[in-house]
Amino acid sequence: GDSVTQMEGPVTLSEEAFLTINCTYTATGYPSLFWYVQYPGEGLQLLLKATKADDKGSNKGFEATYRKETTSFHLEKGSVQVSDSAVYFCALKESTLTFGKGTMLLVSP
Amino acid sequence: DAGVIQSPRHEVTEMGQEVTLRCKPISGHDYLFWYRQTMMRGLELLIYFNNNVPIDDSGMPEDRFSAKMPNASFSTLKIQPSEPRDSAVYFCASSQLDRGSYEQYFGPGTRLTVT
Repeated sequence: GDSVTQMEGPVTLSEEAFLTINCTYTATGYPSLFWYVQYPGEGLQLLLKATKADDKGSNKGFEATYRKETTSFHLEKGSVQVSDSAVYFCALKESTLTFGKGTMLLVSP
Repeated sequence: DAGVIQSPRHEVTEMGQEVTLRCKPISGHDYLFWYRQTMMRGLELLIYFNNNVPIDDSGMPEDRFSAKMPNASFSTLKIQPSEPRDSAVYFCASSQLDRGSYEQYFGPGTRLTVT
């Protein structure tokens, strides 16, 4: 069945550092791919998405490119802020959304 | 729109008691999802509805869990009897099917503690 594998956290960075959170997936077809973010005490909210191979999703300085050849959708940001501290979930959709286990990001001043 | 509304935000109950969690989806959304989040198991889909009809309840852990959606604006998740291992954050989410892909909108969650 479908599955999503994310790097384990926590990822600890200093403000303005470069961020990469790795995500790979297994799917039978051609899923849509998503990154969701969960801030402390809140529900998940969509950060960005890509619906087909080579699409790049972007939002709030975050980017991820749908790589079919490597079945990956890595999340990147050039300069993180303290306010980016949250848990990030990679997800794919074929019939329903399948989430990874989440990666906690901690950014210190 | 107010977003997905869940109540209560926090629930503390004793083992064996009945617990009912409530959800109001975003108006116009035709899908509703119930998830459970724990540190050990991450985010698990319990059940989802389309147009008020349960489509897939394979994630419901056991017969102690039941979910209903009597109309397009209200759903409940009931646990009877509750057990300490049911302690988790329960999220409701809703979405509207769109061409190609869709976004799920999550509520703030209900933190359930069973002692």
